[in-house]
Amino acid sequence: KAGVTQTPRYLIKTRGQQVTLSCSPISGHRSVSWYQQTPGQGLQFLFEYFSETQRNKGNFPGRFSGRQFSNSRSEMNVSTLELGDSALYLCASSRSSLTEAFFGQGTRLTVV
Amino acid sequence: AQSVSQHNHHVILSEAASLELGCNYSYGGTVNLFWYVQYPGQHLQLLLKYFSGDPLVKGIKGFEAEFIKSKFSFNLRKPSVQWSDTAEYFCAVNGRNAGNMLTFGGGTRLMVKP
Repeated sequence: KAGVTQTPRYLIKTRGQQVTLSCSPISGHRSVSWYQQTPGQGLQFLFEYFSETQRNKGNFPGRFSGRQFSNSRSEMNVSTLELGDSALYLCASSRSSLTEAFFGQGTRLTVV
Repeated sequence: AQSVSQHNHHVILSEAASLELGCNYSYGGTVNLFWYVQYPGQHLQLLLKYFSGDPLVKGIKGFEAEFIKSKFSFNLRKPSVQWSDTAEYFCAVNGRNAGNMLTFGGGTRLMVKP
């Protein structure tokens, strides 16, 4: 069965621009979570969506937002990009609550 | 707020050596515990998980971990490492009332010398 798919794999954006990342969860999984991975801060939770509703939110500024569609696919958006937003953004899907998360390959965002 | 601490940032071992990676967490409630591995150039993969029951859990590739509630610890072990175990290992915690939100430790980079 197909795993978690994230697109695009790589992105280069200019400071001040906005970006949208996409995640397709494993079929049948209703929960999608997003994480930011950087060498300095490690893996940090951004937010979780479950059945189209944001269920949890990490400690990130409002420039980071997301949504989930009725087919469980999710997008995250970062507006007014800053150099510090350069990171690997990981999406994880879970079947339901309190089950293990399966991660995608990530989208590597570089802000110049 | 919950937090996870991994004591070793870098570990270098020779093949066949035994491995133990430490993980301690802080959380004011019941938790689920996980170890994930990230091989070079690959995505995060689940090694093992603890939800309840026997505190000694076995995962893939010969890894095991023991949950010691009194010590808030979930250490990862493998009796004999192989060169292919070279990777970064992450301990993660999920509070039972926190949906699927995972809090990760800082990771441990393991290098196994052939």
